[in-house]
Parts: sequence; C-alpha cells; structure tokens
Amino acid sequence: GNSVTQMEGPVTLSEEAFLTINCTYTATGYPSLFWYVQYPGEGLQLLLKATKADDKGSNKGFEATYRKETTSFHLEKGSVQVSDSAVYFCALSPRTNFGNEKLTFGTGTRLTIIP
Amino acid sequence: EAQVTQNPRYLITVTGKKLTVTCSQNMNHEYMSWYRQDPGLGLRQIYYSMNVEVTDKGDVPEGYKVSRKEKRNFPLILESPSPNQTSLYFCASSLWEGANVLTFGAGSRLTVL
Repeated sequence: GNSVTQMEGPVTLSEEAFLTINCTYTATGYPSLFWYVQYPGEGLQLLLKATKADDKGSNKGFEATYRKETTSFHLEKGSVQVSDSAVYFCALSPRTNFGNEKLTFGTGTRLTIIP
Repeated sequence: EAQVTQNPRYLITVTGKKLTVTCSQNMNHEYMSWYRQDPGLGLRQIYYSMNVEVTDKGDVPEGYKVSRKEKRNFPLILESPSPNQTSLYFCASSLWEGANVLTFGAGSRLTVL
C-alpha cells in the first residue's frame, strides 16, 4: 500500500539555522508529493508540492525536490525564523489510470524555533 | 473570505450521547472529507464525499456517519461516541477529488468521557 515516513520530532533549532525534515514514501505508480504545514491552533495548509520526478516545489523560503530514485521529498529551508514553528506533514497522492486519489499523510514533525 | 468552517471547535461529552460536528465551505467545492488527527498517527481519513449524495468510507469509518445533502455542508455524526473517538477532527474540501490541494477547517477537539 501507500505510505509516508517522516523523521520523528520534535525538532528544535535556533533562529537562522538550516532546516531539513526528511520524508520518504512508498507508492504504486507515479505519485504527487506535498508538504502541508499546521500552525498552532489552525488547520493544515498547503506549503508546496511537486507532481513529477526532479520537480522542485518552493514557497516561503522552503524547498523540496521530488527524488524518484531515493523515493524522497525532504523539506529544507536555509534560515528558519521563529514564525516557522509549526507541525509539518509530508503527503502523497498516487496517480492511477482513474486520476489522482486521496492524500496519504505522514505522522507530522513538530518544529520549534528558538530566538 | 474562502474558508471551511467547523463547529463546535471544542466539545466535551459523555459516552453514548449522540453528537454532530458541522462543516461548511463557501468555495463551491465538490470534494469534502473528514480526518482525525491523533499523536503518532498523523491524519487518517474517516469519510469523504465526491459530490452531493455521494459519500464513501475512508480508512477509519467505524463509529461515524456522514451525509451530503447540500454541496456546502458535510456534517460528521457520532451516533454513540466512545472514549477512543477522543481526537482532533478536521474537515477539508477541494475543487474536485483529483485536485489534492485541500483547504482545511481550523479543527474540532472532541473529548469523550
């Protein structure tokens, strides 16, 4: 079946540090990959996505590259801010002959940035 | 403002007392879905609906019911809540199932004693 594995949290970094949150997946076909972010007390919102191999999704200084050979979609940011403190979810949607299917989420990684 | 609205945001109830969590979206989205979020388990889909009068089970449908009589509303019904349904619930919608870009509500935290 389809699954997403994220690095365990929580992750605590100092402001301006480099961030990597690892995500690997298992899926049939050629999935689309997503990162969603959940700020405290809010619902999830789409951060970035990539729909085919070697695509790079980017938004708000975050980037992730779709690596088919390693089945990975790691999230990176060069210099984190306190406002980036949130829970980050990796997700996939497999493509089939019938079109895209529902999202499968990872367990989430809580990120805390210290001033 | 385009949004998904859930109510109530917080609820404490007792075992067996029927409750409904409402969900409404103002974006004319066809696809709506309910998820529950539990520590260490991420988000798991409960039910989804591809359009009016079309609903289907997700990964964890046991103990829940839904209905989709109008496009904008997708209530989640717990006929006889049990403590293992204590969780954080999210409603989400998108233009169509294949769009994948979900708009989430702010969540409803339910505690069943």
